[in-house]
Amino acid sequence: GESVGLHLPTLSVQEGDNSIINCAYSNSASDYFIWYKQESGKGPQFIIDIRSNMDKRQGQRVTVLLNKTVKHLSLQIAATQPGDSAVYFCAENMGNTDKLIFGTGTRLQVFP
Amino acid sequence: GAGVSQSPSNKVTEKGKDVELRCDPISGHTALYWYRQSLGQGLEFLIYFQGNSAPDKSGLPSDRFSAERTGGSVSTLTIQRTQQEDSAVYLCASSLVPGGVEAFFGQGTRLTVV
Repeated sequence: GESVGLHLPTLSVQEGDNSIINCAYSNSASDYFIWYKQESGKGPQFIIDIRSNMDKRQGQRVTVLLNKTVKHLSLQIAATQPGDSAVYFCAENMGNTDKLIFGTGTRLQVFP
Repeated sequence: GAGVSQSPSNKVTEKGKDVELRCDPISGHTALYWYRQSLGQGLEFLIYFQGNSAPDKSGLPSDRFSAERTGGSVSTLTIQRTQQEDSAVYLCASSLVPGGVEAFFGQGTRLTVV
């Protein structure tokens, strides 16, 4: 089916370092992108979103970058903490269909 | 309630039986999504409801799957004649406006078909 990001890589970072999680999306007509965090046994939790008319948006310790030219989205987490360990998913809103399509995610492991 | 509520949280069923999964969205949220998540995988889109519009059923994997949303609130996902490959976590999300803007997820229903 439709998908954003085809792999489930694992990113291991040391506590206090910055993390960068990447995502490639498929539909150039998508106008809204979201990052979710999913901890084990829980549903995905909204982190941050960005509209297609922006290329950067910052939240608390997180920054999302959007490069529409290459259809690439990234999530930067500053000063990564053990509580950031989770699977991170990017999702795109498929423009005129209003569907939210998710990728397979990236597992972030934070070690002391 | 304060969030999206799904029930049951766990369901074990025998192959061939029908199951119903329930989702109570956040009050006032007009958009409702169902997703399926297999172990270690991403979220597979199943169906999307928006207000009184016809639902987008393009993600339903077979005609054994159906969903309805009564009164624009509670939704039920029904799987008929369950198969082992239906085993997964079924997640529901709702959002205040179309397009999944700040969609909030429930905890999911873990379905195991034996």
